[in-house]
Amino acid sequence: NAGVTQTPKFQVLKTGQSMTLQCAQDMNHNSMYWYRQDPGMGLRLIYYSASEGTTDKGEVPNGYNVSRLNKREFSLRLESAAPSQTSVYFCASSEGAGVNYGYTFGSGTRLTVV
Amino acid sequence: QKEVEQNSGPLSVPEGAIASLNCTYSDRVSQSFFWYRQYSGKSPELIMSIYSNGDKEDGRFTAQLNKASQYVSLLIRDSQPSDSATYLCAVARSFGNEKLTFGTGTRLTIIP
Repeated sequence: NAGVTQTPKFQVLKTGQSMTLQCAQDMNHNSMYWYRQDPGMGLRLIYYSASEGTTDKGEVPNGYNVSRLNKREFSLRLESAAPSQTSVYFCASSEGAGVNYGYTFGSGTRLTVV
Repeated sequence: QKEVEQNSGPLSVPEGAIASLNCTYSDRVSQSFFWYRQYSGKSPELIMSIYSNGDKEDGRFTAQLNKASQYVSLLIRDSQPSDSATYLCAVARSFGNEKLTFGTGTRLTIIP
């Protein structure tokens, strides 16, 4: 089925380890986003990519880097994981042109940093 | 002041009744408004979008927008136990390519 695919679904890291969260969409959307969701904090934007070749910081970018590999793929990297990065991470995509039709979300990655 | 505010709940509504969810936003230039439903442990899914003042109906759901009061609401008629979820309000500054700002969500429980 068409949609947004995130991998992995679950991950446990030790403090200081690095990892990359992968996201791919097959809806030919221009824009892609990475959010984290924490209890009581809602969804907070980490980074976004308005179109292939561009990336911009969101509300909480510290400790993360992103790569828009092509139109389909947008990855999120944690270079040196910290316990404060324990969260659920969602990738999303949108058409990004004309009327804002809202996002399609991936199924999420539950990350625990110990 | 948060950009998008919602009552966290929980909001308990009897089955068959109308559930009313409210959201206020602080940025007056906001143009696009969305309601997402999120079941526990799942990702958010879009249920309604609204761009103009007034009401927009889709099945049992009605979104209401009042830009002068900076207020958007979601009504769920004939509430069902399957409507029990957290409802997220999201706002964008423009109609086009624009990132969304989310509220923290309202947890709704439908009581059989």
